[in-house]
Amino acid sequence: GQNIDQPTEMTATEGAIVQINCTYQTSGFNGLFWYQQHAGEAPTFLSYNVLDGLEEKGRFSSFLSRSKGYSYLLLKELQMKDSASYLCAVRDSNYQLIWGAGTKLIIKP
Amino acid sequence: SAVISQKPSRDICQRGTSLTIQCQVDSQVTMMFWYRQQPGQSLTLIATANQGSEATYESGFVIDKFPISRPNLTFSTLTVSNMSPEDSSIYLCSVEEGDRGEQYFGPGTRLTVT
Repeated sequence: GQNIDQPTEMTATEGAIVQINCTYQTSGFNGLFWYQQHAGEAPTFLSYNVLDGLEEKGRFSSFLSRSKGYSYLLLKELQMKDSASYLCAVRDSNYQLIWGAGTKLIIKP
Repeated sequence: SAVISQKPSRDICQRGTSLTIQCQVDSQVTMMFWYRQQPGQSLTLIATANQGSEATYESGFVIDKFPISRPNLTFSTLTVSNMSPEDSSIYLCSVEEGDRGEQYFGPGTRLTVT
């Protein structure tokens, strides 16, 4: 079966750095996405990785290792507004998006 | 990115009735998706709606319960039929855009069935 694992919940301090991991086992691989979802709102697209390595976009970076079936989202200089759920999604060989359950990130002052 | 609107934003419905949710996009898109999200959980794909063809339903979802229309490249509807309290959820439509194929979501419809 297809599976994506993420931690259920993480807590971090304002101004710090946090890394949210995602491991996946899917039928093929055609890209990995990270989405941010604030409570009561729709998910918004954050980042996309299809090749190994690090993609940086401002305070957010996303890393991919296809051989390990592993990705992480790195958030730097955490702000209170970063409190949200972070969803990892993988596109498989059939171009279907497989969604992780999401990681709820709590930022404390 | 596309701007997507949904109507209604929320509704409270009685058991056994049906609700039609509308999704409007400000640009023409080939693929539209309908998702369900239970509180505190991730997204579950209900179906993919392409213009001019029947929607493709995921395992566990059937056309009689969730009929979908896609009359043109900017609009789609999802009907939740013969509702039960188990259908209480947030329903989201999304579109796929760009070379990466990322999805953009509407604001969602929060449905409560009593």
